[in-house]
Amino acid sequence: GAGVSQSPSNKVTEKGKDVELRCDPISGHTALYWYRQSLGQGLEFLIYFQGNSAPDKSGLPSDRFSAERTGGSVSTLTIQRTQQEDSAVYLCASSSRDRGFRSNQPQHFGDGTRLSIL
Amino acid sequence: KNQVEQSPQSLIILEGKNCTLQCNYTVSPFSNLRWYKQDTGRGPVSLTIMTFSENTKSNGRYTATLDADTKQSSLHITASQLSDSASYICVVSGDRNNDMRFGAGTRLTVKP
Repeated sequence: GAGVSQSPSNKVTEKGKDVELRCDPISGHTALYWYRQSLGQGLEFLIYFQGNSAPDKSGLPSDRFSAERTGGSVSTLTIQRTQQEDSAVYLCASSSRDRGFRSNQPQHFGDGTRLSIL
Repeated sequence: KNQVEQSPQSLIILEGKNCTLQCNYTVSPFSNLRWYKQDTGRGPVSLTIMTFSENTKSNGRYTATLDADTKQSSLHITASQLSDSASYICVVSGDRNNDMRFGAGTRLTVKP
């Protein structure tokens, strides 16, 4: 499809396991963002990729969280040694400009991965 | 303290009625303000993006206003429809790449 695609849509795993979440941005979009949305909470910025520049990792909550973006397209968010507080919806967004949050281009969101840690 | 405050937290209106959602922010300096609609179980969808120099912007039945002096924005929904039931999120960006503040959203329910 033409939108941002995220997989899996749902993930249930045991505490302590590692998980990988995938994001396929809109083709040609150079900026990619990861967010976390906990139940009843606002979105929380995690990490931002812009073109070939070093990613902005300032929102990652701990060193258990990491993300990469291969070939300027698909991105993977990895959470190691998951904890129950990691349970949330993880949203990915892409946009067509590299000016990041200052850009006036809209961010296009995927429908997220709902992660549940038992 | 969150730098973007939205009110009300939740709102119930009858189909066909108008409503106004509020967003107050303290983010400074300011780059742009966005309103998103998020249906349950879906990702947010952009409604409007406003810069410092814009004080009103419409998208169909949605009209956003911005007063950069008082740091207030509103989203007005005209002739509400059942499909307007969603969370509406206000997002304010500063002028640095990692400066983006999200409101907690207003949960709107439109009843027949």
